[in-house]
Amino acid sequence: AQSVTQLDSQVPVFEEAPVELRCNYSSSVSVYLFWYVQYPNQGLQLLLKYLSGSTLVKGINGFEAEFNKSQTSFHLRKPSVHISDTAEYFCAVIPGPGGGSSNTGKLIFGQGTTLQVKP
Amino acid sequence: DGGITQSPKYLFRKEGQNVTLSCEQNLNHDAMYWYRQDPGQGLRLIYYSQIVNDFQKGDIAEGYSVSREKKESFPLTVTSAQKNPTAFYLCASSIYGQDNGYTFGSGTRLTVV
Repeated sequence: AQSVTQLDSQVPVFEEAPVELRCNYSSSVSVYLFWYVQYPNQGLQLLLKYLSGSTLVKGINGFEAEFNKSQTSFHLRKPSVHISDTAEYFCAVIPGPGGGSSNTGKLIFGQGTTLQVKP
Repeated sequence: DGGITQSPKYLFRKEGQNVTLSCEQNLNHDAMYWYRQDPGQGLRLIYYSQIVNDFQKGDIAEGYSVSREKKESFPLTVTSAQKNPTAFYLCASSIYGQDNGYTFGSGTRLTVV
């Protein structure tokens, strides 16, 4: 079975500073990886996803993430954050091709990381 | 534009009453999901449906019921058996087995008064 751990529940950072939100996963099969963002009282919006190919994935709003298979990580980064980036961020995983019986078709979510950008 | 619509945005309910949350999608997605979100607890899966007229319990199905009579619709009923129903409820849909992730609705905030 797959699992996702977001290592920080809250990350405070000053505006224009860089930020990294950490995500580790556990899986015995290949996976697809996703990052979602949730603004207050809204649904989740897809930031970026890793399916295959280049391990550095670029998403919307200047975010990027790097897939590291050996460390089973998929950390999210932004070189300079804005106040408007204040939100909750969720990492998620789903088995990829060849997942066999592990593939229930359901995304497995981490617990979320609250990014608080301060002026 | 295609999307997924949840209604109402805010809902108030008296204790002991059942209430139904609406979720409609026009994305032609096969699968639909209901999640409950409480502060600090992430997303918890209530029910999901991969095809019409079929659905499965998620991790916290007790006190909830669903139906999937049409591909586009997946309503959630919060029954009086749900002990602590006040929460933010999110509906999502996906093309089952594909790699596009989920599309989410904007959520319904249910408050029991």
